[in-house]
Amino acid sequence: KNQVEQSPQSLIILEGKNCTLQCNYTVSPFSNLRWYKQDTGRGPVSLTIMTFSENTKSNGRYTATLDADTKQSSLHITASQLSDSASYICVVSGQIYNQGGKLIFGQGTELSVKP
Amino acid sequence: DTEVTQTPKHLVMGMTNKKSLKCEQHMGHRAMYWYKQKAKKPPELMFVYSYEKLSINESVPSRFSPECPNSSLLNLHLHALQPEDSALYLCASSPGPGRNTGELFFGEGSRLTVL
Repeated sequence: KNQVEQSPQSLIILEGKNCTLQCNYTVSPFSNLRWYKQDTGRGPVSLTIMTFSENTKSNGRYTATLDADTKQSSLHITASQLSDSASYICVVSGQIYNQGGKLIFGQGTELSVKP
Repeated sequence: DTEVTQTPKHLVMGMTNKKSLKCEQHMGHRAMYWYKQKAKKPPELMFVYSYEKLSINESVPSRFSPECPNSSLLNLHLHALQPEDSALYLCASSPGPGRNTGELFFGEGSRLTVL
């Protein structure tokens, strides 16, 4: 069964600290993996997208890693800011079908950054 | 700013009302999506339109009726909804078949409350 599991479910950190969010998946075949940030009551915004051949990708203070062998990804946030408080969703895309493949969403990690 | 525009941002309706949610994108994308998201849950796919044709209906009740008048517009017609249909409804678009890398652009969502 195609699944995406994220950990932890929720996380509280102090402003300025670093944190790492985890995503494990069993989606096969695999096309790509994307991390989204979703503020409460708003639509998800893409942070990074990684394909099979990519190990690391950065977007400002966000760095995503992908190990396609172990089917694990992580999202590392450095020097956290209050505005980083949000839900972070890992989304895995299966093999491209005629309309682009099925997207499997993780349950998300709720990050709260405190002053 | 998101390039997928959804209106209205908030909608309150009774169970006997008929209303519509609207979505618009001008990125030349050929695939458009409706998702439903309950609080603290990931988005759930409802419908996919590919080249203005309905390609996926995830067994959504007929009280939700999608419409794609042209490649830039996507509507969701609502009729005889139930209180449990209250949720954030997200519209998304992607480049389309053959060019889909899992790149989904989400709108800000329409917050629907059914009384």
